[in-house]
Amino acid sequence: GAGVSQSPRYKVAKRGQDVALRCDPISGHVSLFWYQQALGQGPEFLTYFQNEAQLDKSGLPSDRFFAERPEGSVSTLKIQRTQQEDSAVYLCASSWGGSSDYEQYFGPGTRLTVT
Amino acid sequence: GNSVTQMEGPVTLSEEAFLTINCTYTATGYPSLFWYVQYPGEGLQLLLKATKADDKGSNKGFEATYRKETTSFHLEKGSVQVSDSAVYFCALKAGYSTLTFGKGTMLLVSP
Repeated sequence: GAGVSQSPRYKVAKRGQDVALRCDPISGHVSLFWYQQALGQGPEFLTYFQNEAQLDKSGLPSDRFFAERPEGSVSTLKIQRTQQEDSAVYLCASSWGGSSDYEQYFGPGTRLTVT
Repeated sequence: GNSVTQMEGPVTLSEEAFLTINCTYTATGYPSLFWYVQYPGEGLQLLLKATKADDKGSNKGFEATYRKETTSFHLEKGSVQVSDSAVYFCALKAGYSTLTFGKGTMLLVSP
């Protein structure tokens, strides 16, 4: 079956531009997570949805970052007024539930380069 | 807070060598522990997991044992292959918290 998909796979933005990154989770998965992975680092948590509810956004680095999942399926991570330090791979993961009993399935990521 | 520390890479081995990648953790409560693998150009994949002390997770010849007394979850494989070349991430999850990852260890296996 289809896994988690993300688009675009690569995005180059000029500093100050807004970007929108899309995540299509596995059908039926209740939980959706966004992570940021800087070069040479492990993924770091950004935000977590259960259905359409954003239950945890403690990892969002600034108010320029905004995520939504309006119908409890597809999610969009938006970054306003991009800065060079936003350059990273943005990973989306989905799972049947939020506890550690449920495996998180990761998408291939979107590599964002801010020039 | 929760944190994971894993050995820095790259780890360079010849085919059929024994592999150990060290991982230690700090966590509140009783976390579940994971190893994820990222092959070149691909997304993160769960390799194995253990949910309580003394559990051993295993998959594809890899194994790791949850050691509460040493707060460790070292990854081992008896005989690596070239196809095992990838980046390996140790991670933990406590209850409904999110995954906390280590920085990753690159493994390079030469024929």
